[in-house]
Amino acid sequence: QVQLQESGPGLVRPSETLSLTCTVSGDSISNYYWSWIRQPPGKGLEWLGYISNSGNTKYNPSLKSRVTISVDTSKNHFSLRLTSVTAADTAVYFCAGGVVLPFFDYWGQGTLVPVSS
Amino acid sequence: SFVLTQPPSVSVAPGKTARITCGGDNIGSTNVHWYQQKPGQAPVVVIYYDRDRPSGIPERFSGSNSGNTATLTISRVEAGDEADYYCQVWDSSSDYVFGTGTKVTVL
Repeated sequence: QVQLQESGPGLVRPSETLSLTCTVSGDSISNYYWSWIRQPPGKGLEWLGYISNSGNTKYNPSLKSRVTISVDTSKNHFSLRLTSVTAADTAVYFCAGGVVLPFFDYWGQGTLVPVSS
Repeated sequence: SFVLTQPPSVSVAPGKTARITCGGDNIGSTNVHWYQQKPGQAPVVVIYYDRDRPSGIPERFSGSNSGNTATLTISRVEAGDEADYYCQVWDSSSDYVFGTGTKVTVL
């Protein structure tokens, strides 16, 4: 059974960079498509971007210039970087993935990242 | 790109049927996936490719998709079905798009 676990700082200051890692266990990271999704408190889900099993990336156009997703196959994890954060980036951040592109079979538990000075 | 609209809330009595709609321009031309999210938890896929159920999801959950509306139907609703539900599509131009979400309340 594939399991995902997000990790990263519990607080980010405005204008700084938010960095999160998702560690995959139970299978090789190379077999799946991986995404980051966020959910502001009390609001809906927003897809941020994905990295394919061949290393190609696509990002939500609304965030494209600020977001980067990368993968480290040796560590079986993938990462999110979101630059120049503001309070509007405060959210629970989920890593998620699937064997096929269109939907998400697996989700991490999510990690709340407040952006505050 | 897709914009997916769901009713903010649906209320249903135990044992009855809940229907959650997901509206989008010609949504019937693509596949819709549905997620259930309980408070403090990650979403779980309950329907994929319009009408397929993952193992472990009760047969009470079913889906349909045609024209401008996709529908998630929960039959014989139980207290444990109380959650937020999101539809989601993927296409090559929009990539992943989530619906606005529907809170299902069991009376």
